[in-house]
Amino acid sequence: DAGITQSPRHKVTETGTPVTLRCHQTENHRYMYWYRQDPGHGLRLIHYSYGVKDTDKGEVSDGYSVSRSKTEDFLLTLESATSSQTSVYFCATSWTDTQYFGPGTRLTVL
Amino acid sequence: GNSVTQMEGPVTLSEEAFLTINCTYTATGYPSLFWYVQYPGEGLQLLLKATKADDKGSNKGFEATYRKETTSFHLEKGSVQVSDSAVYFCALLNAGNNRKLIWGLGTSLAVNP
Repeated sequence: DAGITQSPRHKVTETGTPVTLRCHQTENHRYMYWYRQDPGHGLRLIHYSYGVKDTDKGEVSDGYSVSRSKTEDFLLTLESATSSQTSVYFCATSWTDTQYFGPGTRLTVL
Repeated sequence: GNSVTQMEGPVTLSEEAFLTINCTYTATGYPSLFWYVQYPGEGLQLLLKATKADDKGSNKGFEATYRKETTSFHLEKGSVQVSDSAVYFCALLNAGNNRKLIWGLGTSLAVNP
């Protein structure tokens, strides 16, 4: 399995504060993804990266930004957290056609 | 456009029962098809995949056959166990899409002893 870690694993924050979630991989995979998982919505792609400094928007990118300054790290930033961004966030990586998932970050915005 | 439709859950079965979770897709070209599984409190992991028509993917007693004529990739297992309780996601991948998967909404399975 790909070595993918996410930090923090749990976070509670207040509306209006910025939040950064980190995804770290040890597999040198080119592609990285950020998803959110919500009941009734399955997995929704927020942003993805196809190389260092190469990123693009997914289907639910409003209110989120990403950065990838090196292969192993992909950061997701909530610029000003809102209650609608309370969710479980998953990072994934891939090299071929299979995606490998991290353990997730549970974010609560009060 | 591309889309994946899964049967709605939750599905509740007794141990040793036969499982089918339906998945149909709409896609241009020749996508690859996947089943991922998410155990409670964990991230998703690949269960099985098929990359061309009539291929059968299999793993851990689960099987799915890529049926182009019916645009389906139904997941089956002959005898489920309590440890199979999880959420199952069907997904497709079309070439040249920056490896972005198109996901179904997931089907929750609960297996009772």
